[in-house]
Order: sequence, then structure tokens, then C-alpha cells
Amino acid sequence: DIQMTQSPSTLSASIGDRVTITCRASQSISRWLAWYQQKPGKAPKLLMSKASTLESGVPSRFSGSGSGTEFTLTISSLQPDDFATYYCQQYESYYTFGQGTKLEIK
Amino acid sequence: QLQLQESGPGLVKPSETLSLTCTVSSGSISSSSHYWGWIRQPPEKGLEWIGSIYYSGSTYYNPSLKSRVTTSVDTSKNQFSLTLSSVTAADTAVYYCARLKLEGDFDYWGPGILVTVSS
Repeated sequence: DIQMTQSPSTLSASIGDRVTITCRASQSISRWLAWYQQKPGKAPKLLMSKASTLESGVPSRFSGSGSGTEFTLTISSLQPDDFATYYCQQYESYYTFGQGTKLEIK
Repeated sequence: QLQLQESGPGLVKPSETLSLTCTVSSGSISSSSHYWGWIRQPPEKGLEWIGSIYYSGSTYYNPSLKSRVTTSVDTSKNQFSLTLSSVTAADTAVYYCARLKLEGDFDYWGPGILVTVSS
């Protein structure tokens, strides 16, 4: 099994801040990584795939990087709509998700 | 815009079988470019992939659940289904159906359905 570990589990930030969430895989997954945003009571929303390819309609303030075992999701300037929980997901071998990072308003 | 909608009982007794259906609208389940999947999320916890199915009926499952999971597809109704047998309280979760790109990310999701396992 490929395990995915996100850090931090909770992140407090303010509007306009630049924030970074890290996702680490227990073995190399090349660039087979997706990021999702989930708001309370809603289904996850796909933000990007292949580590850094933004889905259509996702604001350019979101960016992703990494390969192998370490990946990051960066939001360049936090907006009110960005406060949510973020999950990474690997698809190198079956599919596993990270435990989530809750982005809170400071 | 593709839409998915889960349906089924919201309450299942322990040791019984959970059965859910996902109806796909504004798009065809017979797409050669996609699989279809089930993911669940226990209350206040993270996401767990359950299994996936192709329109041809080809399936693959999470090894940790494989002994209890079955999925099927009905292309005439544009639906796919999940059964999970011998449920316990640990199977209480919001169950999502989703479209799975061949590469492996889930690009469209249903709103989810809460299934509670309790007597």
C-alpha cells in the first residue's frame, strides 16, 4: 500500500497570505498526484492532477509542484473562498488519499 | 455538465448488506475514457477509495475491502451500483460516487449519501 501523509493537519492563515501544504508518499509515485478541495457538507472538488496541472476554472493562485515522494500545494494569496480542507491523492497504485489539511481563518 | 447522484437506504443494520446506486446524467456511462468509482468518508475523517468499474463491467477494488465489495453497471439506465456485505458500525460514512479519469483522478462527484450502520 502507498501511504500519503499531509502536513500540517491544520493551518491557520489570513486573507492575502501565501500558504503551502505538503504531501509525502511512502514510495515514489512519479507525478501521479491530485489535489482536492472539500468544504463542509460538500463533495471534494478536483483542483489539479499530475501534480501541477490545474483543472479548468481553478484560479491561478493555486499551484502544485513535486515529483517522486514529495509534493506541495501552494495558494499564492488566500481568498475567503479558499478556507476548506485539502486532500492529496495518489494514483500510481490504486488510489489513496492523504488525511487532509484543514485551512482555517486566523 | 455531467451530474452524478447517489441513492439508497440511509440506515443499514449490522451484518446486513449496504446497497447504493449512482445515476449519471448529462453524459454517458459508456465513455471509453473513464471509469466510475465509489469513495467513502466516515464522519470527521478522510477519504477512502472503495472500488471502480468500467462500462464493460471490468472491476477493481481496494484490497482492504475486496472480500466484501461488489460493483456492477447498467448501461441501459446509465447507472452503476455498490454492494458492501457484512457491514459494521465502522462502515458508517458518507458514500460518494465519482467519475474516474483513466489516469486516476476523480473529476466529477455526486453530492454523497450518508449511510449509518445501526440496529
